[in-house]
Amino acid sequence: GENVEQHPSTLSVQEGDSAVIKCTYSDSASNYFPWYKQELGKRPQLIIDIRSNVGEKKDQRIAVTLNKTAKHFSLHITETQPEDSAVYFCAASSQNFNKFYFGSGTKLNVKP
Amino acid sequence: GAGVSQTPSNKVTEKGKYVELRCDPISGHTALYWYRQSLGQGPEFLIYFQGTGAADDSGLPNDRFFAVRPEGSVSTLKIQRTERGDSAVYLCASSSTGFYGYTFGSGTRLTVV
Repeated sequence: GENVEQHPSTLSVQEGDSAVIKCTYSDSASNYFPWYKQELGKRPQLIIDIRSNVGEKKDQRIAVTLNKTAKHFSLHITETQPEDSAVYFCAASSQNFNKFYFGSGTKLNVKP
Repeated sequence: GAGVSQTPSNKVTEKGKYVELRCDPISGHTALYWYRQSLGQGPEFLIYFQGTGAADDSGLPNDRFFAVRPEGSVSTLKIQRTERGDSAVYLCASSSTGFYGYTFGSGTRLTVV
């Protein structure tokens, strides 16, 4: 089965700086890679996703890059704000998107 | 409904008891998923329904866990003879055919004492 590894487990940045979270996956058949943000005690919320036929996708301050050859993908947050503080999870999916394998999460702390 | 609804939000039960967790997906969503999230971990896949049938139940940890979706809408996750290791947040998600991202519910926090 698929194995998704995520790092770092914790990340602390100053407000306004950039944050990068990296994930690797093992199954070359994986073709969809969503990122979820989870605030304390809340549900995971989809913030951005990328399919394997695309190398990069941007949405305002967040972007995701995918390297299929190396089997890794990254989340980039620019101009971080305190409200970006949360746990971020990457995930990978194949099998027609019916099952997601999640990373173990990155706790991002943006210091004002 | 406007979102995925899960009830109860919290459940405390004694070891050995039976529990049922309910999920009401977004209206019209044919796909429904159950995940389990332990403290400090990412969600872990349990089971996936397409309509009324369980298309993939490979994530159910053992035969104490069972889920149904009899009318293709509401789903119930059933856990028999609960153990302390079953304590976790149980998340439900739904999606419409051809759309890849899930919408998660707020989860049921199960505590087995």
